[in-house]
Amino acid sequence: GENVEQHPSTLSVQEGDSAVIKCTYSDSASNYFPWYKQELGKGPQLIIDIRSNVGEKKDQRIAVTLNKTAKHFSLHITETQPEDSAVYFCAASKGGGSGTYKYIFGTGTRLKVLA
Amino acid sequence: GAVVSQHPSRVICKSGTSVKIECRSLDFQATTMFWYRQFPKQSLMLMATSNEGSKATYEQGVEKDKFLINHASLTLSTLTVTSAHPEDSSFYICSLNGQTNTEAFFGQGTRLTVV
Repeated sequence: GENVEQHPSTLSVQEGDSAVIKCTYSDSASNYFPWYKQELGKGPQLIIDIRSNVGEKKDQRIAVTLNKTAKHFSLHITETQPEDSAVYFCAASKGGGSGTYKYIFGTGTRLKVLA
Repeated sequence: GAVVSQHPSRVICKSGTSVKIECRSLDFQATTMFWYRQFPKQSLMLMATSNEGSKATYEQGVEKDKFLINHASLTLSTLTVTSAHPEDSSFYICSLNGQTNTEAFFGQGTRLTVV
């Protein structure tokens, strides 16, 4: 079935360093790839997303890259800050028009930024 | 993005009782909402897709008679955990797609503890 693998499961970086989280999806029909940040006891918050017709997208310190051929996409956080510490989830979905977008989530990465 | 309000944020109930969780879309009419369950340190698992005015679509392995979903209006979906047992203790999260029908916005989540 459809599957999204996410690595690493935990990641510790020094404040100011970069963090990279990688995901691989199995369904080649997937065309939308969001990244969510989840803080303890809260729902996930969308931080950045990318569609299959784009290879890279950047928003300040956060960037996402997509390799459709390899079915890989990655989250890059530069100049990390302690408040970036959280669990990050990638997801893959497919759909179009009025169709329902079903999300398949990765297993999550616990990022710890050390001050 | 869409504003999603989920209530309650935390509930403790006795084994054998039922608990209702509400998910409201505050600024957007959502024909479709999604219900997820998240166990500690695990990813979000889709339980069901809630469709306004029609029956919910349940994922494989999710008991529809145990997790009753009602989506009576374009702004409200409810999940009722019937005859709750300790193994139903989990974090339940709802989501809906935004205007473009692509991005998903999540509620704050409900921590259910069955004692």
